[in-house]
Amino acid sequence: QARLVQSGAEVKKPGASVKVSCQASGYTFTGYYIHWVRQAPGQGLEWVGGISPNGGLINYGERFQGRVTLTRDSSITTAYMEVNNLKSDDTAIYYCATERQNWFDPWGQGTLVTVSS
Amino acid sequence: EIVLTQSPATLSLSPGERVILSCRATQNVGTFLAWYQHKAGQAPRLLISAAVNRASGIPARFSGSGSGTDFTLTINSLEPEDSAVYYCQQRSGWPPLYSFGQGTKLEIK
Repeated sequence: QARLVQSGAEVKKPGASVKVSCQASGYTFTGYYIHWVRQAPGQGLEWVGGISPNGGLINYGERFQGRVTLTRDSSITTAYMEVNNLKSDDTAIYYCATERQNWFDPWGQGTLVTVSS
Repeated sequence: EIVLTQSPATLSLSPGERVILSCRATQNVGTFLAWYQHKAGQAPRLLISAAVNRASGIPARFSGSGSGTDFTLTINSLEPEDSAVYYCQQRSGWPPLYSFGQGTKLEIK
């Protein structure tokens, strides 16, 4: 069945960058958007952005425009999210998810990104 | 930007009871609304899509209703494993933008 597997936890210093990967299997990777959602400690879910099946259309949540870059590589069925100029309040669990007709299913297991000096 | 407001924020109920969770949008989203269940340490799980459609494998005691700006998720015959945070999510506009409600934390005593 469809499955997304994300890269492992990261610890970064303020001002650094982080790149999280999300490898898909069990479905046609080139047929669906991939989205990223984060959950900061004690907070709810927040949409980061989404990338179209061919990578030609990328949308970002207002807070993430200019600091987050989404890409994907169909040859290895993997999507990536890079966050630049990390701040302490970027500490969160980042999830990738496949969009199926406007909804997110399935989701990756989540990647904890910790930003600390 | 469409904002989703969920109520109540938290609640505690007993097994076998029925609960109705609310999600209200600041603008008409039609039926572009989903519900997710999120347990600590796990990935969120899609429960309901297009406001009323149960996702694959979701028990029949979960049901969704509503359209426009007012939506509800009903869970009948609560079970202990229903303890989780429940989120609504909408999609709107072009290019499409997405947002989540702030969540309702449900505890089964």
